[in-house]
Amino acid sequence: DAGVIQSPRHEVTEMGQEVTLRCKPISGHNSLFWYRQTMMRGLELLIYFNNNVPIDDSGMPEDRFSAKMPNASFSTLKIQPSEPRDSAVYFCASSLSRGLRALHFGNGTRLTVT
Amino acid sequence: AQSVTQPDIHITVSEGASLELRCNYSYGATPYLFWYVQSPGQGLQLLLKYFSGDTLVQGIKGFEAEFKRSQSSFNLRKPSVHWSDAAEYFCAVGETGGSYIPTFGRGTSLIVHP
Repeated sequence: DAGVIQSPRHEVTEMGQEVTLRCKPISGHNSLFWYRQTMMRGLELLIYFNNNVPIDDSGMPEDRFSAKMPNASFSTLKIQPSEPRDSAVYFCASSLSRGLRALHFGNGTRLTVT
Repeated sequence: AQSVTQPDIHITVSEGASLELRCNYSYGATPYLFWYVQSPGQGLQLLLKYFSGDTLVQGIKGFEAEFKRSQSSFNLRKPSVHWSDAAEYFCAVGETGGSYIPTFGRGTSLIVHP
């Protein structure tokens, strides 16, 4: 299995621009998570999906952030408009929806907003 | 709600020395416990997990962890550290009821001297 695939690996954009991060979970996994990692706040859960349905988006910082999962093999995290404080590494992870929820992480997208 | 504390932000050891990374959790019931490792530029990788049974669990790369209920701890150990073990280590706790979504600690950065 190729693991969780995220794209792009790096994104540099100017403040005010729209940013879309992409994720392909492991085939057969029916839970998907978006995390943000910063030095100041560590690893934060933004949102997670079960069977393509958003279950908990309480971690999404504000309305500028949105996430979708149109099918079992694809998810997006969009920031519009982006701000410098959104600069972080964004991780996607997937797991089975039952049991110990051992998460499988992608390699992340490093976002820099100037 | 559960929480995780990793008291050490950085740990420095010499190659070949033993290692112990501390993790304390707060949770009312028996938790699910995890250790993940993050190498630079990579996502988090599961090292080991505990659910029930033997309180000493073995993981990949020669790591082990011991669950001590009386101390609310789940410390990670390795008898002899290799230079390639230099990375960030995260402890996580998951609920045994409900969503099972793990909560991550802030991480401990391991530095290995030759």
